[in-house]
Amino acid sequence: KQEVTQIPAALSVPEGENLVLNCSFTDSAIYNLQWFRQDPGKGLTSLLLIQSSQREQTSGRLNASLDKSSGRSTLYIAASQPGDSATYLCAVSGVSGGGADGLTFGKGTHLIIQP
Amino acid sequence: DGGITQSPKYLFRKEGQNVTLSCEQNLNHDAMYWYRQDPGQGLRLIYYSQIVNDFQKGDIAEGYSVSREKKESFPLTVTSAQKNPTAFYLCASSTTGASGANVLTFGAGSRLTVL
Repeated sequence: KQEVTQIPAALSVPEGENLVLNCSFTDSAIYNLQWFRQDPGKGLTSLLLIQSSQREQTSGRLNASLDKSSGRSTLYIAASQPGDSATYLCAVSGVSGGGADGLTFGKGTHLIIQP
Repeated sequence: DGGITQSPKYLFRKEGQNVTLSCEQNLNHDAMYWYRQDPGQGLRLIYYSQIVNDFQKGDIAEGYSVSREKKESFPLTVTSAQKNPTAFYLCASSTTGASGANVLTFGAGSRLTVL
């Protein structure tokens, strides 16, 4: 059964720093990997999607990488801002079930950017 | 605007009562999903449906029921058999097919509290 682990569970850094969030998964047979942002009491907002054939995706100050063979992904946030404070969730899509059988989520990294 | 609407946003229930959470999407997505989120935990899949009139159990289906009579709607009933129903419930949808598989769009969530 797929398991997704996110490290660290919580992170607090001063504004302006670059930071890296880590995600690992146990089964490398995936369709894609997604990073989501969740604000308190809200739904999830998709940040980046990396298909299994890709190595990385970039959106603004965010860069996500995928090393499928080692079961790892990183989310790099450049020049962090207080508005980046949120919980960041990593999720993988398995190839079983036709690829539309839902995602397996990590528990998230709770990020606080200090002004 | 296309999106997913969940209602109600907050719901209180007495023990022993069944409650139904609504999820409606106008994205023309074939697949829909229900997840449960507990504090400090990742999302866990309750049920999913890849097509109208068909649905599958996820990892934690016990005490829950769903229906998929229309493409746009995927209501979740939390029954009295669910022993610990207090949680944040998230609905999502996606297209099917390898390119769009499990690229989920989420609703804003419904918070259920059992009194």
